[in-house]
Amino acid sequence: QSVLTQPPSVSAAPGQKVTISCSGSSSNIGNNYVYWYQQLPGTAPKLLIYDNNKRPSGIPDRFSGSRSGTSATLGITGLQTGDEADYYCGTWDSSLSAVVFGGGTKLTVL
Amino acid sequence: EVQLLESGGGLVQPGGSLRLSCAASGFIFSSYAMSWVRQAPGKGLEWVSGISGSGGGTYYADSVKGRFTISRDNSKNTLYLQMNSLRAEDTAVYYCATWEYSSSWYFGYWGQGTLVTVSS
Repeated sequence: QSVLTQPPSVSAAPGQKVTISCSGSSSNIGNNYVYWYQQLPGTAPKLLIYDNNKRPSGIPDRFSGSRSGTSATLGITGLQTGDEADYYCGTWDSSLSAVVFGGGTKLTVL
Repeated sequence: EVQLLESGGGLVQPGGSLRLSCAASGFIFSSYAMSWVRQAPGKGLEWVSGISGSGGGTYYADSVKGRFTISRDNSKNTLYLQMNSLRAEDTAVYYCATWEYSSSWYFGYWGQGTLVTVSS
């Protein structure tokens, strides 16, 4: 059981938009910034969003992030088949003094 | 270009030990905190341990505290994870990653991982 809660899977058609939620508590998301990672099949995770809503160099603006209260959301617009991957949210948990992750969400582009 | 290359994984019996290494290049290694993150087969990510750039500060998840030891050799640009008293539930791909701080801690760059299997 992960500290952060994500839906196990989401799906949408190519060109459409999808959102992935990440729910936590005041000891993690409520008082710390949220980070999102993309893991393409068979590869290592890659940083996708940092500081709630910033994109590292090379990440297209189709990817966006937001945080409100104890929840965060990853948005992906203009879906492409190459976006099929597992997406993880992560943050620092002040009570656990540890980095915590969500269980991951598998995105299927139909 | 940042490169992180893990090695040392393999099959080990329950109760055994293993040492993982992560060779870093493409950045000033001593300026970065580093971490190990693992992923059990078909499961999600779990932070295991972290170490400051100087090596003076070390941090562990409760699940490995007292069994695993993280260390680094900045002269060799290498990160280590000594794993003792291994259990079946330690079976996972172990990734090393740069452990960076912007407004909170996050993992900027990841290696490709090395598989550790604990089984008799």
